[in-house]
Amino acid sequence: EPEVTQTPSHQVTQMGQEVILRCVPISNHLYFYWYRQILGQKVEFLVSFYNNEISEKSEIFDDQFSVERPDGSNFTLKIRSTKLEDSAMYFCASSVTQGRQHFGDGTRLSIL
Amino acid sequence: TQLLEQSPQFLSIQEGENLTVYCNSSSVFSSLQWYRQEPGEGPVLLVTVVTGGEVKKLKRLTFQFGDARKDSSLHITAAQPGDTGLYLCAGIKAAGNKLTFGGGTRVLVKP
Repeated sequence: EPEVTQTPSHQVTQMGQEVILRCVPISNHLYFYWYRQILGQKVEFLVSFYNNEISEKSEIFDDQFSVERPDGSNFTLKIRSTKLEDSAMYFCASSVTQGRQHFGDGTRLSIL
Repeated sequence: TQLLEQSPQFLSIQEGENLTVYCNSSSVFSSLQWYRQEPGEGPVLLVTVVTGGEVKKLKRLTFQFGDARKDSSLHITAAQPGDTGLYLCAGIKAAGNKLTFGGGTRVLVKP
């Protein structure tokens, strides 16, 4: 079965630095999402993306965050000026329609 | 804020026993999904329930959506050690496609 792939699996970054988390959604999918899970807490929605623009975003997704689909295959989440509280698992997901979302295995982001 | 509360947070049972996990909300959801998440992996969809009162079965797993579409349950019959894992419920509102997740129930089935 096709998979959503995320790289890197673990990213360690100094506080204040910028990070880019990368995702390759399933090839025929049109909707893309980012979620995050802080250790011990719920999985939280960050943003959804369709037709080259953000379709919905949460309160968490402020100016520090941005998403991009730079080419036909990648979907990236950029976090500028990282803070300690940005440490979390970040999950990318994709779907064909507004239906079943397929999740990647996540990137563990550790901010030092 | 749309909240989904799962209970219990942790459940430890012996192989062969039955268990039920609950997912409750004060909000109405257009659909509710159940996921299983293994350590180091992303959530994997088990089932989607859409209609109030709907019951779906997946082998020994039975999923029910409440009549008012505010709550759901997952029942496992004759649990096996292979059922051990983190079970998550997630709801979708009528408008939009974002998933609102519950806090998860960690199930341990001891042989």
